[in-house]
Amino acid sequence: EVQLLESGGGLVQPGGSLRLSCAASGFTFSSYSMYWVRQAPGKGLEWVSGISGSGGSIIYADSVKGRFTITRDNSKNTLYLQMDSLRAEDTALYYCARRHGSGNYYFESWGQGTLVTVSS
Amino acid sequence: EIVLTQSPATLSLSAGERATLSCRASQSVSSYLAWYQQKPGQAPSLLIYDASNRATGVPARFSGSGSGTDFTLTISSLEPEDFAVYYCQQCSKWPLTFGGGTKVEIK
Repeated sequence: EVQLLESGGGLVQPGGSLRLSCAASGFTFSSYSMYWVRQAPGKGLEWVSGISGSGGSIIYADSVKGRFTITRDNSKNTLYLQMDSLRAEDTALYYCARRHGSGNYYFESWGQGTLVTVSS
Repeated sequence: EIVLTQSPATLSLSAGERATLSCRASQSVSSYLAWYQQKPGQAPSLLIYDASNRATGVPARFSGSGSGTDFTLTISSLEPEDFAVYYCQQCSKWPLTFGGGTKVEIK
């Protein structure tokens, strides 16, 4: 069974930093692209970033480019999101998600999310 | 960026009724469209991918159709557990984008 467990969320001041983690199990982690998707309180879904299985291909939404960094450690089956220069509008529940087995860029499996609150 | 517009925003129906949800893209996404269901306090779950393929374990009462710019998610007969928010998502072009969601609520 695929399991994704996010951690690292919390309350941070504007301009601060936070590092999210997503521990994966139940599948061959290095074989799958992984993504971060966020959801502001009471709002819809927003794709944030993605990384290929090897880590060699990375992409970001414009809203976070230059501030967030996605990485992965395949030896630890863990996905990361380093979040710097945080803004109030980054407040959201952050989900990690696994790419669909078809190869297309859909989100087949999701974690339960970790809440990031940016406020002074 | 491809904008996905979902309608209606809210659909009020009774159990056993048919639900028809719409997702319209600002430009063609071919068949690269998925539907997700999100229940309160839960992560989204994939229902339909490539416009019309049911994901693993999804009941047959859920069906997707469409191509290009107009897509439909149909729930043939609503079960109590189907009352939730539904999102469409395109993967034709980066950035990946979602629609704003349709809430299916109990009438």
